[in-house]
Order: sequence, then C-alpha cells, then structure tokens
Amino acid sequence: RKEVEQDPGPFNVPEGATVAFNCTYSNSASQSFFWYRQDCRKEPKLLMSVYSSGNEDGRFTAQLNRASQYISLLIRDSKLSDSATYLCVVNTGSYNQGGKLIFGQGTELSVKP
Amino acid sequence: EPEVTQTPSHQVTQMGQEVILRCVPISNHLYFYWYRQILGQKVEFLVSFYNNEISEKSEIFDDQFSVERPDGSNFTLKIRSTKLEDSAMYFCASSEPSGGPFTDTQYFGPGTRLTVL
Repeated sequence: RKEVEQDPGPFNVPEGATVAFNCTYSNSASQSFFWYRQDCRKEPKLLMSVYSSGNEDGRFTAQLNRASQYISLLIRDSKLSDSATYLCVVNTGSYNQGGKLIFGQGTELSVKP
Repeated sequence: EPEVTQTPSHQVTQMGQEVILRCVPISNHLYFYWYRQILGQKVEFLVSFYNNEISEKSEIFDDQFSVERPDGSNFTLKIRSTKLEDSAMYFCASSEPSGGPFTDTQYFGPGTRLTVL
C-alpha cells in the first residue's frame, strides 16, 4: 500500500464549481497533515495544515479522520487561479529524528472559464 | 516575507561528475531538508538535518550523497558521482522549531533542476 494515496485526477471543472479531493495514508503514527499546492515545475507551497477538528480558510476546507486515516480538501467557488496540482502531505517524523514529509502523487485540478 | 533560496536554478552536468547544490534556509529556522522530484513523479524525502548532523535519511540518500552546513547560512547537498537517474528537481526546505519538527510547517525553496547527461 502506498504511504500516501490520492485521487488520480485530473479534475476538470468550470469556474464556480465545488471540488473535493481525498487522500488516505498508511502510517498510523503520522503526526501532522497538510495540503500543499504545486504549480507546474515550481516548489510545493503550503495551502493549509489539517487538524482533527477540521479547519477552514476562506474557500478551502480540510478534514482529517485519524481513525480512517483519511484526509480531504474541499474547494468552493473555484477560480481559474486554483488550477494547480494539490499534494496531500503527511509528516511521519519523530521528535528525535525531525520532520519527514511524505507526499502523495498529487491531483491535478484544471478550472476552466 | 522570508524565503528559502537555492542556487543554481538549473545545473547541467556529465555523468560521473560531482555537483553541489546550494540552499540558504530561512534565517531563524533550525531544521533543514532536501527533497527531490523526478519529472512526472511525486516529491520524495532525501534527508533531514539538525544541529549539524543528519537526523534521518531515506534509502535514496546513499553514499553518493552528503549534506553540509559549512557556515551559518548555507546548506548544501553534494552528489559525488552523478548518474543519469539523479536527474530531477531538488528542493531544499526548512522549518522553525515551534511545535516540534514533526508538526512544523516546512517551507520550500524554488528548487534546482539537475540534468545529468
């Protein structure tokens, strides 16, 4: 089983649509969870951290279910500028060893006019 | 806003040559990382570094790879004898010691594209 697995994509949606990404992870000892965004051939940029209670940042909502080892990201009212690859990321590091991010393959989103 | 910087942006080398990729992490950060992304594939962890020593390394980070913090600002990745399969984008990242290295956000540099011919 892959350490972090995401929806394969690509997702092609019209402007204004709501789109949801799902992700599962295999290491139950994982400490922290993130969604990063990556534009073509650029570095990953943090979109948001994901907390067990769920968290929202404007049009973006992230959820974490530790029991199911499942992470989600919801984008409402999608904009053309949301077009990118969305990376589900899990930190499997330990206190003694430092952080270690494990990335999913990424899901490509294309928002069309 | 502070950012991680990397040089060069693109490095072309011949197979078997040594390359050094350079990074300047965010100034108050204490944890440093290298990741790589082969074209079309996912981002992969290579190594983490703290207090002047390696904290953890992946299977990819074999004896051909080394890291160093030669001064108070730079963090380098050296590949001793490059192979064709080392062609990839190499990202440096750093994090600050707030909640702990396993919860802190890692900030990525723009990457160095390494092409091995």
